Amino acid sequence: EIVLTQSPGTLSLSPGERATLSCRASQSFSSSFLAWYQQKPGQAPRVLIYGASNRATGIPDRFSGSGSGTDFTLTISRLEPEDSAVYYCQQYSSSSYTFGQGTKLEIK
Amino acid sequence: QVQLQESGPGLVKPSGTLSLTCAVSGVSIISDNWWTWVRQPPGKGLEWIGEIFHAGNPNYNPSLKSRVAMSLDTSNNQLTLKLNSVTAADTAVYYCARVPFGWLGFGPWGQGTLVTVSS
Repeated sequence: EIVLTQSPGTLSLSPGERATLSCRASQSFSSSFLAWYQQKPGQAPRVLIYGASNRATGIPDRFSGSGSGTDFTLTISRLEPEDSAVYYCQQYSSSSYTFGQGTKLEIK
Repeated sequence: QVQLQESGPGLVKPSGTLSLTCAVSGVSIISDNWWTWVRQPPGKGLEWIGEIFHAGNPNYNPSLKSRVAMSLDTSNNQLTLKLNSVTAADTAVYYCARVPFGWLGFGPWGQGTLVTVSS
């Protein structure tokens, strides 16, 4: 099973700043199967990025993803108050999915 | 517009069986989509439970494989999840979601349903 480790655990930034969230895998896998999700309190997650760098429908271009192998990054430029949420990375390999433990993003 | 809605008992006794359904609208469950279940214990992260496709065998999380069963109810266009021998550790919000053909991540998701395991 591939373990995903996200860092930092919590990130506190101001509106207009840039957020950089990391997701590191215990072993390499295809970047085609790396996704990022945003989850706000009391809501279901929603997909932001799939295939490591493709924005899902309706996701603003402030959100971008990059990476390959074992290291992946979600970048949120020009932070807005509504970006406050928990962000999860997810991978798929060998007919099984795993999620990272999440990064909580707080907007000051 | 594809929509999913989970339903089922909110309280299950320890050692019992958790049974949930996920009603799908806007698309047939026998279309080119996989369907998946994910759970989230209160205040914790996401855990994948398994996925199912109409023309293949389900894939389950290895840690739950001995206790879980997923199926498709084509008559009612819904998914079903059964988890047996439950304990308090199975208390969670349970979500169903679509896995689109071509793998665009999981989406859309249902709103989730809280299941508490307690006597």
